[in-house]
Amino acid sequence: DAKTTQPTSMDCAEGRAANLPCNHSTISGNEYVYWYRQIHSQGPQYIIHGLKNNETNEMASLIITEDRKSSTLILPHATLRDTAVYYCIVRVYTGTASKLTFGTGTRLQVTL
Amino acid sequence: DTEVTQTPKHLVMGMTNKKSLKCEQHMGHRAMYWYKQKAKKPPELMFVYSYEKLSINESVPSRFSPECPNSSLLNLHLHALQPEDSALYLCASSQAHFNNEQFFGPGTRLTVL
Repeated sequence: DAKTTQPTSMDCAEGRAANLPCNHSTISGNEYVYWYRQIHSQGPQYIIHGLKNNETNEMASLIITEDRKSSTLILPHATLRDTAVYYCIVRVYTGTASKLTFGTGTRLQVTL
Repeated sequence: DTEVTQTPKHLVMGMTNKKSLKCEQHMGHRAMYWYKQKAKKPPELMFVYSYEKLSINESVPSRFSPECPNSSLLNLHLHALQPEDSALYLCASSQAHFNNEQFFGPGTRLTVL
């Protein structure tokens, strides 16, 4: 399974954009990049996913490099409620189910 | 209804007890998952069920026994656990055949004495 590498922690001022990088240099051509976040002691929450094109939804934007070896999750206007651990995951699809292998994640602290 | 529910929220058990964790979803998802999460660590996949059949077992010890009695329900039966099995146990569900996200429940916090 492709591994991901993320910074251990990051800080962001409230109202500013939070840019969370992820390296996935061993990703295969048909593997998707997923982002989840986990607020303390809750279940992980899906944010966004993509294959090779940039993606945007109501929560965030996902920028994937052309060679697909890295990506960046962008929270355009971070709020205190965005403080969480953010996981970048390369999803393996077995044909009948998805397998998510979580990396160590980035702990994002949003401050006033 | 886009919710995965898990019961109980907290469970304390001795090493000789038998207990079960329950997970339920009514989103029509045909894939369901158990994850284990130790403190300050990422979730680790334990089991995957697809169409009520065990699809993936990540070499989990036999003291953990999963069961999927129908498409909405997933159980995890626990027997003869060790203190190091204390963790947050997360259930998730997803569409089986499509590139969709997994929905996670809030988890059951298990303490083994």
